[in-house]
Amino acid sequence: DAGVTQSPTHLIKTRGQQVTLRCSPKSGHDTVSWYQQALGQGPQFIFQYYEEEERQRGNFPDRFSGHQFPNYSSELNVNALLLGDSALYLCASSLIQGGYNSPLHFGNGTRLTVT
Amino acid sequence: AQKITQTQPGMFVQEKEAVTLDCTYDTSDPSYGLFWYKQPSSGEMIFLIYQGSYDQQNATEGRYSLNFQKARKSANLVISASQLGDSAMYFCAMREGRYGNNRLAFGKGNQVVVIP
Repeated sequence: DAGVTQSPTHLIKTRGQQVTLRCSPKSGHDTVSWYQQALGQGPQFIFQYYEEEERQRGNFPDRFSGHQFPNYSSELNVNALLLGDSALYLCASSLIQGGYNSPLHFGNGTRLTVT
Repeated sequence: AQKITQTQPGMFVQEKEAVTLDCTYDTSDPSYGLFWYKQPSSGEMIFLIYQGSYDQQNATEGRYSLNFQKARKSANLVISASQLGDSAMYFCAMREGRYGNNRLAFGKGNQVVVIP
């Protein structure tokens, strides 16, 4: 039973560039959310996707966008990268029918460095 | 407003001893779930234990137990018989109860180092 998989594991980009991160949810899960974790901090919610639509969004600018595909996999895009975007980006999945008491399953993350 | 508070500094724990990690939360939603995750240096967020707001008994999962005090809005994690592999960051998180909500609010985490 494959868990949440993310790619790539590490990425180095230059200020102003654009980046795409990818996530495949755990088998059987249908909703994906993305989190940004700065060094020494807890993860911060970016947005959630379900049925190929963004369902809710955290306090992140429009430079952060995403997509969910019919197979439930997801992408996170960040445009016009800033140094402050350097962080670990975590993808989490769950079954939306599971309700508030079902845990989110996380991938290993993509570590993005902006220089 | 910060919803999850974890204020303990880094902790050193002797192997085989128990350790308690504090977590307080804030919500006006009567339905919510509280979660603890472990994050080793590799970065993966590993689910440990869950407590629902309506659960009457404290949750337990192997060596992990959750001391849930609803009136005080606290959900402390107890790790019994610490092992070297327990060295990691530990995060408390809350998910509020509206349908389809996948948004977890995390605390800043507790660093635990287990020493032999």
